[in-house]
Amino acid sequence: EVQLVQSGAEVRKAGESLTISCKVSGYSFTSHWISWVRHMPGKGLEWIGRIDPTDSYTNYSPSFQGHVTISSDKSFSTAYLQWSSLRASDTAMYYCARQQELKVGAALDYWGQGTLVTVSS
Amino acid sequence: SYVLTQPPSVSVAPGQTARITCGGNSIGSKSVHWYQQKPGQAPVLVIFYDSDRPSGIPERFSGSNSGNTATLTISRVEAGDEADYYCQVWDSISDVVFGGGTNLTVL
Repeated sequence: EVQLVQSGAEVRKAGESLTISCKVSGYSFTSHWISWVRHMPGKGLEWIGRIDPTDSYTNYSPSFQGHVTISSDKSFSTAYLQWSSLRASDTAMYYCARQQELKVGAALDYWGQGTLVTVSS
Repeated sequence: SYVLTQPPSVSVAPGQTARITCGGNSIGSKSVHWYQQKPGQAPVLVIFYDSDRPSGIPERFSGSNSGNTATLTISRVEAGDEADYYCQVWDSISDVVFGGGTNLTVL
């Protein structure tokens, strides 16, 4: 069974750093790209970026480029989303999701349960 | 950047057919995916590549895509179909793009 299990909810202050994780199981970690998606309260879904776990090559949405870092560790079949300096506006639910196929344009077929990040100012 | 436009809300009576649209410039030339998100839950893929259904998704869910509009159709709507629905495409400039989402209410 394919599973993406995310780390638990986090509460931080603005300016602090944070890393959340997404551990996959039930398939070969390097066979599918992983995307991260933000869902702010009362808003729609926003794509943050993706990583190819094979070589850790990343793509970012221009809206998030430079503010977050996506990484992965094949040894632990885990992808990460990292902030070096959080803002109050980063308060949101964050999802990791598996890309269905190793090609651009494929759907996101399995999703993690989400990690709620709360940042106070 | 590429923009996908969805109606904020759609309402339908149980047993009727719900149609949720997703507008975009020449969207018919792109592959459209649809996700269902219920309150407090992660999104679930319900249609991929315009009209394919993942295993476990009822046949009541179908999709089409032509011209400037893609459509998610839910036949014989049930109370359990109440959710937010998002369309998504890949664009060569914008990469992954989501629509703003449509809240489906079952009356």
